[in-house]
Amino acid sequence: GIQVEQSPPDLILQEGANSTLRCNFSDSVNNLQWFHQNPWGQLINLFYIPSGTKQNGRLSATTVATERYSLLYISSSQTTDSGVYFCAAGYNQGGKLIFGQGTELSVKP
Amino acid sequence: ETGVTQTPRHLVMGMTNKKSLKCEQHLGHNAMYWYKQSAKKPLELMFVYNFKEQTENNSVPSRFSPECPNSSHLFLHLHTLQPEDSALYLCATTPSGLYQETQYFGPGTRLLVL
Repeated sequence: GIQVEQSPPDLILQEGANSTLRCNFSDSVNNLQWFHQNPWGQLINLFYIPSGTKQNGRLSATTVATERYSLLYISSSQTTDSGVYFCAAGYNQGGKLIFGQGTELSVKP
Repeated sequence: ETGVTQTPRHLVMGMTNKKSLKCEQHLGHNAMYWYKQSAKKPLELMFVYNFKEQTENNSVPSRFSPECPNSSHLFLHLHTLQPEDSALYLCATTPSGLYQETQYFGPGTRLLVL
């Protein structure tokens, strides 16, 4: 089955800094999603991005399906960006997703 | 607010207890999912229901019993759990489990088994 690896596992930033989170996946996918989990456990979908580039405010994501990776960019980070960022991938299995281990981000004021 | 609610938010139970977790969605979706998130581990898919029919059971022990009476409600019945079952249990929904779609998560139930 698909394996999903994320890097780095942990990241500490000063407020205002930019960062790039990476997600590698082992096989072809047609479902790739990025999520943010806040300190209380709530998961929020950030992007549905099986290929191409999308932007939403200070966040953007790029997936290069042929090279089996996706990147999440956070610009001008804020303390509210803290939490765990998950990448999840799937292929032709309906809603079934395989989650990575996550990147734990801490943004300091 | 994602349109998916879960109750209770926190639950402490003994190994001999029986309890149920509830998930309710107000999005008009037809597919619902149970995930388990243990500390320092990725989310693990447990069950998938599509149009009220179970379409996935990811080798989950029988002490976890799901129920989907309608497209808006999903339950997870718990009995004779083990301490290693302590985790965050998350419910998610998609418009249909047939296609690649954005998943919407509830806030989770944090379960502690003593």
